[in-house]
Amino acid sequence: GQNIDQPTEMTATEGAIVQINCTYQTSGFNGLFWYQQHAGEAPTFLSYNVLDGLEEKGRFSSFLSRSKGYSYLLLKELQMKDSASYLCAVLDSNYQLIWGAGTKLIIKP
Amino acid sequence: GAVVSQHPSRVICKSGTSVKIECRSLDFQATTMFWYRQFPKQSLMLMATSNEGSKATYEQGVEKDKFLINHASLTLSTLTVTSAHPEDSSFYICSAKALEGVYEQYFGPGTRLTVT
Repeated sequence: GQNIDQPTEMTATEGAIVQINCTYQTSGFNGLFWYQQHAGEAPTFLSYNVLDGLEEKGRFSSFLSRSKGYSYLLLKELQMKDSASYLCAVLDSNYQLIWGAGTKLIIKP
Repeated sequence: GAVVSQHPSRVICKSGTSVKIECRSLDFQATTMFWYRQFPKQSLMLMATSNEGSKATYEQGVEKDKFLINHASLTLSTLTVTSAHPEDSSFYICSAKALEGVYEQYFGPGTRLTVT
């Protein structure tokens, strides 16, 4: 079966750095997405990785290792507004998005 | 760019009635639109995939006669929850994939459905 694992919840301090991991086992791979979702709102796109390596975009970076079936989202200089759920999703061989359950990130002052 | 709207944003209806939710891509043409349902503290659950001009493809366990999907144009898809029951209360989110480009899905703001 297809499976995406990410931690259920993480806590970090304002101004710090946090890394949210995602491991996946899917039938084929056509890219990995990270989305941010605030409570009661729809997800918003953060990043898309299809090749190995690190993609940096401002305070957020996303890393992919296809051989390990592993990705992480790195958030730097954390702000209170970063408190949200972070969803990892993989595009499988049928170009269908397989979603992780999401990681709820709690930022403390 | 890549804005998706949903209407209504919030609806309360009585058990047994039907509710229609509209999803529009405002500034791009969407070959494919997706309908998701999300229960509190759970991840997105794909309900169905709809392609313009053809029948929707429903995920296992989703009743196609209960959740009617119409994708009449490249910018509009509708989801009708027929004979709604309290257990249908959920957050319904649509997303759209652009005609061109990669496989990113652009999400609408969601519709909170409460069935009393």
